[in-house]
Amino acid sequence: DAGVIQSPRHEVTEMGQEVTLRCKLISGHNSLFWYRQTMMRGLELLIYFNNNVPIDDSGMPEDRFSAKMPNASFSTLKIQPSEPRDSAVYFCASSNREGANVLTFGAGSRLTVL
Amino acid sequence: AQSVTQLDSHVSVSEGTPVLLRCNYSSSYSPSLFWYVQHPNKGLQLLLKYTSAATLVKGINGFEAEFKKSETSFHLTKPSAHMSDAAEYFCVVSGSGNTGKLIFGQGTTLQVKP
Repeated sequence: DAGVIQSPRHEVTEMGQEVTLRCKLISGHNSLFWYRQTMMRGLELLIYFNNNVPIDDSGMPEDRFSAKMPNASFSTLKIQPSEPRDSAVYFCASSNREGANVLTFGAGSRLTVL
Repeated sequence: AQSVTQLDSHVSVSEGTPVLLRCNYSSSYSPSLFWYVQHPNKGLQLLLKYTSAATLVKGINGFEAEFKKSETSFHLTKPSAHMSDAAEYFCVVSGSGNTGKLIFGQGTTLQVKP
């Protein structure tokens, strides 16, 4: 199994541009989590899905952020328009029903907004 | 509400000496507790987990942690540090239910000196 796959690994963009981060879950996993990591705030849960349904999006900073799970194995996190304070490493993680509290993380997408 | 406090933001040890990374938790019910490790520019990897079975939990790479309810602690230890142990370590508590929603501590950076 290739694990949780995130793309792009690095993205540099200018303020105001749209950013789309992608995540492919491990086959058979049914829960998907998006985290953001910064030096100031550490790891923050943005949103998580169970069986493609968003369960808790209370961590999404504002309306500029949106996340979708169009099918059981894929998710996107979109920022539109992006701002410099969105610069962070964004992690996707997944888990299966049996190990619901054990997450497998992707390698992260490092976003820099100039 | 559940929370974790990692008592040291930075720990420095010499290679071959013991490692102790401290974590206290707060939970209104019997928690599941985890330690994750993050090597530079990598995603997070599960080291070990406690889920109300044995209070002494053994993980990968020689690490172990002991759940002490009376002290609300879950400290991570290793008898002998290796250079490859240098990384960021996160103490984690599960949110309510078996949803997979995790609450991360602020992290402890472990430096291993030759």
